[in-house]
Amino acid sequence: DAGVTQSPTHLIKTRGQQVTLRCSPISGHKSVSWYQQVLGQGPQFIFQYYEKEERGRGNFPDRFSARQFPNYSSELNVNALLLGDSALYLCASSPTGGRNYGYTFGSGTRLTVV
Amino acid sequence: AQKITQTQPGMFVQEKEAVTLDCTYDTSDQSYGLFWYKQPSSGEMIFLIYQGSYDEQNATEGRYSLNFQKARKSANLVISASQLGDSAMYFCAMREGKGYSSASKIIFGSGTRLSIRP
Repeated sequence: DAGVTQSPTHLIKTRGQQVTLRCSPISGHKSVSWYQQVLGQGPQFIFQYYEKEERGRGNFPDRFSARQFPNYSSELNVNALLLGDSALYLCASSPTGGRNYGYTFGSGTRLTVV
Repeated sequence: AQKITQTQPGMFVQEKEAVTLDCTYDTSDQSYGLFWYKQPSSGEMIFLIYQGSYDEQNATEGRYSLNFQKARKSANLVISASQLGDSAMYFCAMREGKGYSSASKIIFGSGTRLSIRP
């Protein structure tokens, strides 16, 4: 079975640009969450989607948005990129809302803003 | 507020020795879950072990065991017979969320970098 897949694996963008990151959950998993991991820190929660509805949002500005599609894949969009947005962006999926167990994470997208 | 604290930024351990990674947590929820993840340099977060707040026995998964002390709010990870491949970042994490319909985000500690010496 394929795990959580994220694309692209690496990305370099210029300040002010917009970026879209993609995530395909494990087949049958209906919940997708996004995390930002700045170098040297633990991941920080950005969004959770369950059954295509936003179920939670972390302390991130409105420049960050996401959506989940009918096939449960998800996109994370970041507008007006800042240098501080440089990070590893992790996607995680779970079969339910994640209440009873943890998530399976993808390998992440490493975003560099220059 | 819910919080995870890992006080060991880095540890060096001799191969084949056991190692304990410390984790304390703070929550007012009665129902919660605790996790340990391993993150090698590739970046992927690899699930190691889970402990539910109502589980009476400490969780074990192969060489990994979780020393759960609820009254002290600690959830230390014990790795027995360490191997060179165990060198990685280790994160303690806690699941928030009170119901199936609510967001069940995971909050992470700052991590411990474990290095295994041959």
